[in-house]
Amino acid sequence: ILNVEQSPQSLHVQEGDSTNFTCSFPSSNFYALHWYRWETAKSPEALFVMTLNGDEKKKGRISATLNTKEGYSYLYIKGSQPEDSATYLCAFITNAGNMLTFGGGTRLMVKP
Amino acid sequence: DVKVTQSSRYLVKRTGEKVFLECVQDMDHENMFWYRQDPGLGLRLIYFSYDVKMKEKGDIPEGYSVSREKKERFSLILESASTNQTSMYLCASRKVQGGGTFFGQGTRLTVV
Repeated sequence: ILNVEQSPQSLHVQEGDSTNFTCSFPSSNFYALHWYRWETAKSPEALFVMTLNGDEKKKGRISATLNTKEGYSYLYIKGSQPEDSATYLCAFITNAGNMLTFGGGTRLMVKP
Repeated sequence: DVKVTQSSRYLVKRTGEKVFLECVQDMDHENMFWYRQDPGLGLRLIYFSYDVKMKEKGDIPEGYSVSREKKERFSLILESASTNQTSMYLCASRKVQGGGTFFGQGTRLTVV
């Protein structure tokens, strides 16, 4: 079983704060890292698919970076809004298989 | 709009019952997955299938079986439901390794 860890497990911020959280994964046999956003009562929604070391991706106020050599990815949210409240999941795929291995998620709550 | 549809949003079953969770996708994806999500544990893979009639065990297959008789449908079966199978169950599908993964809306199963 691959070990994918996310920290922190949960996070409370005020509206307007910027925040970031971490996904750690095995640095060997890397193929891709996915970030998902999962709002309550909805399906997880793909945010980013990252494949190259040094990748930086951005979607609006959300961005992500990838370091495959040391096995981590950061997700940043600039100027958090209440609608950003969700669980953010990262998932790791090796070059040996088809499966996504998920981290435990970071639950973000943004207070107005 | 691409779609992964799970047959039920909420289910309550009794201990010992046989339970079927159905998932249908309309994207002609080869790969389909069943996960369960528990607080603090993220999404854990129960079973996946990469083709019709093919199945592979994930990380936590005990107490579950699956069926893939048609490409678009992947069923998760709890042969004899137990209270420790109370959880949120998510179905997902993907076209090829590294491609986007699409999720159903989840089924919250309670076993009493």
